[in-house]
Amino acid sequence: EIVLTQSPATLSLSPGERATLSCRASQSVSSYLAWYQQKPGQAPRLLIYDASNRATGIPARFSGSGSGTDFTLTISSLEPEDFAVYYCQQRSNSGTFGQGTRLEIK
Amino acid sequence: QVQLVESGGGLVKPGGSLRLSCAASGFTFSDYYMSWIRQAPGKGLEWVSYISSSGSTIYYADSVKGRFTISRDNAKNSLYLQMNSLRAEDTAVYYCAREDYGEARYFDLWGRGTLVTVSS
Repeated sequence: EIVLTQSPATLSLSPGERATLSCRASQSVSSYLAWYQQKPGQAPRLLIYDASNRATGIPARFSGSGSGTDFTLTISSLEPEDFAVYYCQQRSNSGTFGQGTRLEIK
Repeated sequence: QVQLVESGGGLVKPGGSLRLSCAASGFTFSDYYMSWIRQAPGKGLEWVSYISSSGSTIYYADSVKGRFTISRDNAKNSLYLQMNSLRAEDTAVYYCAREDYGEARYFDLWGRGTLVTVSS
């Protein structure tokens, strides 16, 4: 099973700052990686697929990069609604998720 | 509108069974692979199972293999998850999700989830 490790576990930033979230795979997943955002009491929302493509309706401040085993989600300038939990997921082999990064207001 | 609505959750004793349903609307259900994903209280996401658009291909996470059965009825626009031999660690919110976006298929549409609690 492919294990995804996200870092940091918690990220404390202020609105307007840049956020950088990491996801590392235990073996190569090529570019078959997605990022999801989840707010309390809500279902997750797809942000990025195939490592770097924004899903429909996702603002341009969200961007993804990486391939192989190392991936990054960047939020260029945080809006108040961006504070949430973020999960990466690989689809190279079934569909395991990372443990999540909580993005909180500083 | 385009949506997924889960039902069938509830409280069940260890060793018991439960059948979850997911009703799809607003899109051509039979065109899409579908999945079940769960989330234990306060924990992360765990993919449980997927089924191909025709139902011919099915895959399960090791944690539920042999106990859970996924199925679909394209005529009724519905997805199901039969859960047997339930354990305390199966307690979670269960989401159904549509798979889309290219070859790898990601979860682009989610239901609101249904809570399954396994407790004596």
